[in-house]
Amino acid sequence: GIQVEQSPPDLILQEGANSTLRCNFSDSVNNLQWFHQNPWGQLINLFYIPSGTKQNGRLSATTVATERYSLLYISSSQTTDSGVYFCAVETIGNTPLVFGKGTRLSVIA
Amino acid sequence: EAGVVQSPRYKIIEKKQPVAFWCNPISGHNTLYWYRQNLGQGPELLIRYENEEAVDDSQLPKDRFSAERLKGVDSTLKIQPAELGDSAVYLCASSFGGQTGYTFGSGTRLTVV
Repeated sequence: GIQVEQSPPDLILQEGANSTLRCNFSDSVNNLQWFHQNPWGQLINLFYIPSGTKQNGRLSATTVATERYSLLYISSSQTTDSGVYFCAVETIGNTPLVFGKGTRLSVIA
Repeated sequence: EAGVVQSPRYKIIEKKQPVAFWCNPISGHNTLYWYRQNLGQGPELLIRYENEEAVDDSQLPKDRFSAERLKGVDSTLKIQPAELGDSAVYLCASSFGGQTGYTFGSGTRLTVV
């Protein structure tokens, strides 16, 4: 099956700093989503982005499908950004979402 | 619009006891998924429904797990009997043909003691 690798596994930031999270995947995809899992376990959908670039406030994401990677940018980080960020992909043929192991982000004041 | 609703939010049971989880997907979403998330890991699929039909249940431990989706709307996931290793968060998600992405519920955190 498809492999999804996220980096870095852990990240500690000072409040106000910027960061880039990366997701590499091993096969062609027709769906890619970025999720934020907050400390209470809720998975919040950040972006549905099988290709291209999207922005939502301080967050933006870019997927280069031909090179099989996606990037999540967080600017001016806040303590509420803390949690685990997951990348998940769905391959052509509509296999269900496969998740990476996540990037654990801690933003300190 | 209400999101994906799951209940209960938390459940603590003794091993060998049965347990059931309930999920109400977003209205109009024909595809429903149950995922299990172990501590420190990403969610992993247990079963996928297209309307009322289970189309992918290869990862569901069928000796003790069962699921149903009545009338293609609500779904229940059952474990009988529960084992210590079943302690995890059980997440339900729904999508509309996969065209707009998945929406997850808040999950049920199961602890088996």
